[in-house]
Amino acid sequence: DQQVKQNSPSLSVQEGRISILNCDYTNSMFDYFLWYKKYPAEGPTFLISISSIKDKNEDGRFTVFLNKSAKHLSLHIVPSQPGDSAVYFCAARDYNTDKLIFGTGTRLQVFP
Amino acid sequence: DSGVTQTPKHLITATGQRVTLRCSPRSGDLSVYWYQQSLDQGLQFLIQYYNGEERAKGNILERFSAQQFPDLHSELNLSSLELGDSALYFCASRARVTTGELFFGEGSRLTVL
Repeated sequence: DQQVKQNSPSLSVQEGRISILNCDYTNSMFDYFLWYKKYPAEGPTFLISISSIKDKNEDGRFTVFLNKSAKHLSLHIVPSQPGDSAVYFCAARDYNTDKLIFGTGTRLQVFP
Repeated sequence: DSGVTQTPKHLITATGQRVTLRCSPRSGDLSVYWYQQSLDQGLQFLIQYYNGEERAKGNILERFSAQQFPDLHSELNLSSLELGDSALYFCASRARVTTGELFFGEGSRLTVL
């Protein structure tokens, strides 16, 4: 039962353009949603989060949007840079169980 | 550097064997989480400890066990290893007051031959 889904395994974007990574979820008990970035041979690092009571959170080039009615969130990276090339994981925290559930990740490649 | 330390970084062993993976959380963090990442898969939640007690359990096999010690470090024990257990095993810790953010170690790569 995949409660957090990232349906695009990969995304390729030109430097300077916008990268949009998408995530869908099924559990209504999630109270926080997070994005993590992972480089090869490293652990995931936290990028940005959003509370379930908000619909947008911005941090520099990164913005996360939450659409609760559609159970959908997205991460926008503007402008995209080659250093953003990594695997991005969407995650959600279950308020009841305190588990952090991850999606399968989207590999972003930003080319010059 | 997340402040979470995992050892060993790499481990190669044979089927049927048993290994122990070790994790030291960030200073002051009481929660420890274990995740498994198999090839091209997402991060699968295994188990969570809080201040020495098991808090939540995920898809952890019966051949696997874990514990958190009084000094808050944690160990993940994998026994009767199978080829399919080859994966990256991540440990993460969480601050006391949090929005759910976890700080991950660099992982232990287990290869079962």
